[in-house]
Amino acid sequence: AQKVTQAQTEISVVEKEDVTLDCVYETRDTTYYLFWYKQPPSGELVFLIRRNSFDEQNEISGRYSWNFQKSTSSFNFTITASQVVDSAVYFCALGFGTGAGSYQLTFGKGTKLSVIP
Amino acid sequence: DTEVTQTPKHLVMGMTNKKSLKCEQHMGHRAMYWYKQKAKKPPELMFVYSYEKLSINESVPSRFSPECPNSSLLNLHLHALQPEDSALYLCASSQTGGRNNEQFFGPGTRLTVL
Repeated sequence: AQKVTQAQTEISVVEKEDVTLDCVYETRDTTYYLFWYKQPPSGELVFLIRRNSFDEQNEISGRYSWNFQKSTSSFNFTITASQVVDSAVYFCALGFGTGAGSYQLTFGKGTKLSVIP
Repeated sequence: DTEVTQTPKHLVMGMTNKKSLKCEQHMGHRAMYWYKQKAKKPPELMFVYSYEKLSINESVPSRFSPECPNSSLLNLHLHALQPEDSALYLCASSQTGGRNNEQFFGPGTRLTVL
């Protein structure tokens, strides 16, 4: 069974602070994919980052960075120097192939981030 | 073009109505998805189409009927819905296979069933 746990329901930070969103996943598959999506109040899910199970290299992209550790089944996401526009619900998702070329996503419950000016 | 479009943006319908939600993408993706999202909940997968064929139906009631007329279009036909079906319906698309398999989502259709 696939499962994603985002233990933080809501986080509030003051603008320019760094914030880390936690994600822990469970899967028996050896090949899987991890994603972070942002959902602002408008409702559209915006793709942020993807990491494949066979690539544990951590990267930084602008103000975003992520820490993927297979040993602890964690895929944490950090926003550096937060801005008010970062206020949104952030979803961590676990993806695995369906065998027909498509991918099935299991989402965590989401973390609501509020950045206070 | 990395855009998925959905129409209408908002829909209000009665329990006896028949309506359709439409989704379109021009990224050449051959996998398309329908999700349902209730307020303050994560999206839940409803249907998956791969190469225009239905590959996953997550035990969705028959009052929801998906259709994939071609590789760019995905429809969701609605009939005899219940008030508890009121939700945000999200469409997504992705490449099939390969490592760049992130799903791109449309803005959604906010459905209210009276």
